[in-house]
Amino acid sequence: DAGITQSPRYKITETGRQVTLMCHQTWSHSYMFWYRQDLGHGLRLIYYSAAADITDKGEVPDGYVVSRSKTENFPLTLESATRSQTSVYFCASSESDAGGWGTNEKLFFGSGTQLSVL
Amino acid sequence: DQQVKQNSPSLSVQEGRISILNCDYTNSMFDYFLWYKKYPAEGPTFLISISSIKDKNEDGRFTVFLNKSAKHLSLHIVPSQPGDSAVYFCAASAGGNTPLVFGKGTRLSVIA
Repeated sequence: DAGITQSPRYKITETGRQVTLMCHQTWSHSYMFWYRQDLGHGLRLIYYSAAADITDKGEVPDGYVVSRSKTENFPLTLESATRSQTSVYFCASSESDAGGWGTNEKLFFGSGTQLSVL
Repeated sequence: DQQVKQNSPSLSVQEGRISILNCDYTNSMFDYFLWYKKYPAEGPTFLISISSIKDKNEDGRFTVFLNKSAKHLSLHIVPSQPGDSAVYFCAASAGGNTPLVFGKGTRLSVIA
C-alpha cells in the first residue's frame, strides 16, 4: 500500500533493552522525521533526515539513534531503553525534495508506535 | 522555551456552534503556519495552513486567521460537528531547512 507505515504498532520492552522502531514510506519523499508525543509536551522532534545518509538532531535526540541507508526507510533505535522513553512515536515524511523544506511543506504522518518501557 | 504555545489544553463546544482554537508564537522568523488534526490511535493529518503574507485562509468549514503583530493565530470551525472532536496541533515553520515546531495541542470535544 502507498503511504507511510510504522511497525510495530505496539511494543513492550524492559529497561536496558535495545529497541528498533521501523518506518517505511512509498512516496520517495526526501525528508523523514521522528517525533514523540507525550502528555503535556505535544509533538517533539527526535531526529530528521534530509536524504539518504543525511540525518540531524531534533529537540530531544538523547538516547536515540537513527540511520537512513535507503530513501524509503528511517528506523529509530533506542540503544538502551529507559522508562522516560515510554511514549507514542510518530514517523513522518515531507513531500519537498526541491532543495529545501519548511515553507509550504506539510508532513505526512504514520499511525504511530506505542512503546512501553517497563 | 516554548516557541509555539497552545494555552488551552481542552475545549468543549456544542454541535453547530463555532469552535475557536488559539495559538501563540514567539519566534518572529516563523513565516508559515499549519494546523494538524489528530484522532486517537492515528497519526496527525494536515488540516489547513497560512502563509505570513496573508491574514486569512479558508477551506470549507475551517478558517485560519493570522495576526502577525500579536504573533497569534486561530482556527475557526463553523459549524462544529461531532466528527471534529480530536486533538488539534498548531505548527510553525521558519523556512529553509528548519523543522516544524509544534504546540502541545488542544483537545476539542464537540457535543451533540
